[in-house]
Amino acid sequence: GAVVSQHPSRVICKSGTSVKIECRSLDFQATTMFWYRQFPKQSLMLMATSNEGSKATYEQGVEKDKFLINHASLTLSTLTVTSAHPEDSSFYICSARATTSGGGYNEQFFGPGTRLTVL
Amino acid sequence: AQRVTQPEKLLSVFKGAPVELKCNYSYSGSPELFWYVQYSRQRLQLLLRHISRESIKGFTADLNKGETSFHLKKPFAQEEDSAMYYCALRTGGGNKLTFGTGTQLKVEL
Repeated sequence: GAVVSQHPSRVICKSGTSVKIECRSLDFQATTMFWYRQFPKQSLMLMATSNEGSKATYEQGVEKDKFLINHASLTLSTLTVTSAHPEDSSFYICSARATTSGGGYNEQFFGPGTRLTVL
Repeated sequence: AQRVTQPEKLLSVFKGAPVELKCNYSYSGSPELFWYVQYSRQRLQLLLRHISRESIKGFTADLNKGETSFHLKKPFAQEEDSAMYYCALRTGGGNKLTFGTGTQLKVEL
């Protein structure tokens, strides 16, 4: 099946620094990638939809200047948490949707997640 | 706005017992419902979707529009079914998914 990787799997940083998380589709092209955030024992909350070659679409309440998303190629999207603070500590998960023609639902394949801890 | 509710955070059953994981949704349009599963130390993966009307690993789920429910069922639980299960709703013409809070299924011997 399709595989999505994330790097790093775990990162610890100091408050005020920026952290970049990569999401890659390894064996398929993904026009669209999604970034989720998951707090302990809570559900996945969609942060933004990342479209290759265009600006990301952010969900209501998500600061676009805080969470910078770049989708420069059909296999890579990056999420940069700028000036991170302890409240940004969370589990960040990406998913990628395969590029296919026609309408209907194309399955989202999820990455393993990145655990961010801001001290 | 759309919403997915999974009332049980934890469901514990004995091996061989029937399982039902509840999921209710609210959405004014035509919904597409999914069940995702996350096994221990593994990533989230699609289990089944209502459009396919299929049985995966013995699990089935029927969309009940009258009750706005999409409960996941399995007649005989197996130990390997122990995992976190998320119900998800796809809305509109895109691929955005709204997830429920998840139910941890524990199958005991």
